[in-house]
Parts: sequence; structure tokens; C-alpha cells
Amino acid sequence: GQSLEQPSEVTAVEGAIVQINCTYQTSGFYGLSWYQQHDGGAPTFLSYNGLDGLEETGRFSSFLSRSDSYGYLLLQELQMKDSASYFCAVSPYGQNFVFGPGTRLSVLP
Amino acid sequence: EAQVTQNPRYLITVTGKKLTVTCSQNMNHEYMSWYRQDPGLGLRQIYYSMNVEVTDKGDVPEGYKVSRKEKRNFPLILESPSPNQTSLYFCASSLSSGAGNEQFFGPGTRLTVL
Repeated sequence: GQSLEQPSEVTAVEGAIVQINCTYQTSGFYGLSWYQQHDGGAPTFLSYNGLDGLEETGRFSSFLSRSDSYGYLLLQELQMKDSASYFCAVSPYGQNFVFGPGTRLSVLP
Repeated sequence: EAQVTQNPRYLITVTGKKLTVTCSQNMNHEYMSWYRQDPGLGLRQIYYSMNVEVTDKGDVPEGYKVSRKEKRNFPLILESPSPNQTSLYFCASSLSSGAGNEQFFGPGTRLTVL
């Protein structure tokens, strides 16, 4: 089967840096993506890693190590609006999707 | 405006009463998908459609049906809803399959089955 693990909750203060980890066990792998979901809202795409290494998009970066079946999302210069749930996701066969259980990030003033 | 729309947004129904949740996208996307979201379980894929020719089961297809007669629409059908199908449902679309293709999600449909 396919499984992804994420911490359930993370708390940080405004202006800080936070890392949200994701480990996966899948029969196939075509890259790792990240989505953000605010309370009451729909998920929105943040980033994608198809190859090992770091991808940077503004204050957000995402990292992948395929040999370790591990990735993380790095959020810098945290703002209150970053309080949300963050999901990692894989597409094991390039067709279906499997999402992690989500990490709820709380940013404190 | 590029978007995915779902209707209804909220629905309360009773066990066994057939219902359909509609999903439509205006981005000419090939790939469409349905998810359910339950606390602590993340998003679980119910069905996906690679294009109008190909539809397949996701991780939790039991009790659901889908139809992809045209590119823009992908309705979710619950022929005999049961209380364990009470959940938040999202439709999504993307240009193509694969994690590298950004999925655009609809606003969600909150379903309660009594």
C-alpha cells in the first residue's frame, strides 16, 4: 500500500522559520507535491519536487530526498496568514494521488 | 475566471436517497478527480479521470460512482448514501495526471447523511 507520514501539528512564532516533514512509502514514485489549506477553504498547490534537491518559491521552499523517501516544506519569515494545514502528496503510478494526513501550522504573534 | 465549481455546497440527506454532486471546470483540463476529507485522514481519492475515455478507482471508491461524458464535467453519484459517507468532498482538475501538475480544487461540498 501507499502511506505518507507528517507531524499532526507544528507551532511557531511570526518571523520564524518552520520545517514540515513528510516521509512516504509507495510502490511507485513520480515526485512529491505540497498543498496548503486554510480553515474552511480548498487546498491550493504550493510546490513540486520531481528530483532530489531544493525548490524555492518565494518564502516557501521544498526539499526531496528520494533515497530517504523523505521531503520537507520550509516556510521562512512566517506570517499570521501562513496558519493553515499543509499536505504532502504523491502520485504513485503517475495517475492516482495519495495525500498525507496533513500538518496543522499555528503561527503565534 | 478559471475555476472549478461544485454544487451543492451543503447537503443534508437521509440514508438511501440517491444524490449527485456536480463538478465543472472551465480550464480545458484533462484530469479530474474526487476526494473526500475527514479529520485526521487528509484527502482520500475516490475516483479519477485521466480524460473522457479513462476513469479509474482511487483509494476509497466503495459506494460511489462517477461519470465523464464530457471534458468539463465530472459528477459524483451516491446511489444509496450511508452515514459513513458523511464528509467534506472536493472535486479537482489539472492539465494532466501526475504530482507535478497543479490540481485546482473546487470549494467543497459538505455532505451529511442521516
